[in-house]
Order: sequence, then C-alpha cells, then structure tokens
Amino acid sequence: ELKVEQNPLFLSMQEGKNYTIYCNYSTTSDRLYWYRQDPGKSLESLFVLLSNGAVKQEGRLMASLDTKARLSTLHITAAVHDLSATYFCAVEDRGGGADGLTFGKGTHLIIQP
Amino acid sequence: EPEVTQTPSHQVTQMGQEVILRCVPISNHLYFYWYRQILGQKVEFLVSFYNNEISEKSEIFDDQFSVERPDGSNFTLKIRSTKLEDSAMYFCASSEWGSQPQHFGDGTRLSIL
Repeated sequence: ELKVEQNPLFLSMQEGKNYTIYCNYSTTSDRLYWYRQDPGKSLESLFVLLSNGAVKQEGRLMASLDTKARLSTLHITAAVHDLSATYFCAVEDRGGGADGLTFGKGTHLIIQP
Repeated sequence: EPEVTQTPSHQVTQMGQEVILRCVPISNHLYFYWYRQILGQKVEFLVSFYNNEISEKSEIFDDQFSVERPDGSNFTLKIRSTKLEDSAMYFCASSEWGSQPQHFGDGTRLSIL
C-alpha cells in the first residue's frame, strides 16, 4: 500500500520567513504533484514533478523531487499572507494511465503579518 | 480558462437513499476521476475512468458506488444506498492524458441525515 507522509501537518510562520514542507512516500514512483487548497475550496494544481531531480518554481514557491530518497520538498521563500492555505502532496503510483493519486494529510499553513 | 464543473454544490439526503453527483470534465480531457474528502481529512481516491470504462478503483469504491458517462460531456457518480459515513466533499477531476495534472472541480458537499 502506497503511503504518503507530509510534515509538518501544521505550520504557523511570520511573513518574510522561509520554510520547507516535506513529503515522503513509500513507492518508487517518479510522479509527484503539489496542490493548494483554500478553506472550503477545491484543489489547485501547483506543480507537477515527473523525474528525479525535477525542480519547479512559481513565485515564492519552489518544489523539488528526489526519487531515490522518495522525498519531495515545497520551499516557501519570504512568505506572504496570501500563501496561507493547506498544501497537499500527491503521488501517482504506477504512472502512464488513469492512476488515482494518493494524497498526504496536508500541511495547514498560516502566515501571520 | 476551462474548468471542471460539478452539480449540485450541496446535496442533503436521507440515509438509504440513492444520490447521483454530476460532473462536466474539461472538454478535451480523456481521463476522469472521483475523489472524496471527509471534513478535515485528506483527499481519498475513489475511481478513475478512461475510454468508457473503469481504469482503477480503490477499496472505498464498493458495490454501492458506480460511475457512468451517459453522454459526451457528463460524468456521474452514483451511490446506491447512502450511509452516514458517506458524508463528505466529493471532487471530480479530469486530465488530458495520464501523468498530467488532474484539474479538480469545486466539489459537491454530500450530507447524509
């Protein structure tokens, strides 16, 4: 059974600070996704990481994938209040078809002024 | 930007009744998915659908659940005899190909009384 673990599950930080969210998974998959969810809203795709060493950046967020360590990180640089949300990583097990994603429990991020 | 649309946004049903949740995936997408999220918990995969048949399903997707693509645009999830534990937010998603970002709808909140 594929397991996806995120940490921390809850993070409160100040604006302007840097922090990293970690996502560990138990399979040999090289397909990992990051999503953002605002309270009561749907999931917004942030990053798609499809190979070992993949790095993607969008604004203050940067995601990376190390398939050998089975680890992905989501790094937040100089956090701003608008980034407050819950962030989920999700892993695709087999790849190449209509695979369901296995999600982590999510990291609830609060950024305070 | 094209989006996945779901109806209704909120469905309240008596235990034991049948419910049908409806989704219109993005028009050029070929892969369709249903997920659920119990309040405050992680997103769980239910089923994926490709080429007019189920591609993958989770343990949650038992005989009480079924999916259908009744026409060229709609994708439905039916729960035959609802239970209290079926109360959750149900998300539909679609992707253009496998291993591509899955685009999520806004969800249907299902409340079983």
